[in-house]
Amino acid sequence: EAGVAQSPRYKIIEKRQSVAFWCNPISGHATLYWYQQILGQGPKLLIQFQNNGVVDDSQLPKDRFSAERLKGVDSTLKIQPAKLEDSAVYLCASSLDWGRGYGYTFGSGTRLTVV
Amino acid sequence: KQEVTQIPAALSVPEGENLVLNCSFTDSAIYNLQWFRQDPGKGLTSLLLIQSSQREQTSGRLNASLDKSSGRSTLYIAASQPGDSATYLCAVNLDSGNTPLVFGKGTRLSVIA
Repeated sequence: EAGVAQSPRYKIIEKRQSVAFWCNPISGHATLYWYQQILGQGPKLLIQFQNNGVVDDSQLPKDRFSAERLKGVDSTLKIQPAKLEDSAVYLCASSLDWGRGYGYTFGSGTRLTVV
Repeated sequence: KQEVTQIPAALSVPEGENLVLNCSFTDSAIYNLQWFRQDPGKGLTSLLLIQSSQREQTSGRLNASLDKSSGRSTLYIAASQPGDSATYLCAVNLDSGNTPLVFGKGTRLSVIA
């Protein structure tokens, strides 16, 4: 089975620029998550989708971050405008069983550097 | 608010040693607990998942225990190898509906040949 695909792998942008990350989950996985992992920290959930609906976006900085999951499959996470503190690895994960941690599969992540 | 703490933050051991990584959580009302491995520049790989009703899980040289009432879990690695070098993350799922995983900051393990 193919894993969770993410692109790009690396991105360097200047502050105040915009950036977008893409995630393709495992086929058939209804739940998709975006996590932010700052260097030296554990991953922190940004947003959780069930099919194409948002389940939890309470920790998403909505003034600058947005995410969508078109047709309940692929997802895009956007930052506009970026700040220096947004430098982190952005991890996408998907699972069959929502909210219960079973069968979590993580992508390799996108490492964002804001300069 | 659930908080997950991992001790130590970093650990360096010679090859062949047995070692223990610790994880504690503040809210004992968890649904399950997972241990993940993260290699540099890579995503997370699930190692072991313990249901709240279980006491331990084993996979090869790895053994994870859970004491839900005291809010603690340990990951025991037997006969460590250089290939075990990675960051190990502990995460819990709360037992209150559709909640996301809450992670600790991880323990960075180096096994020296």
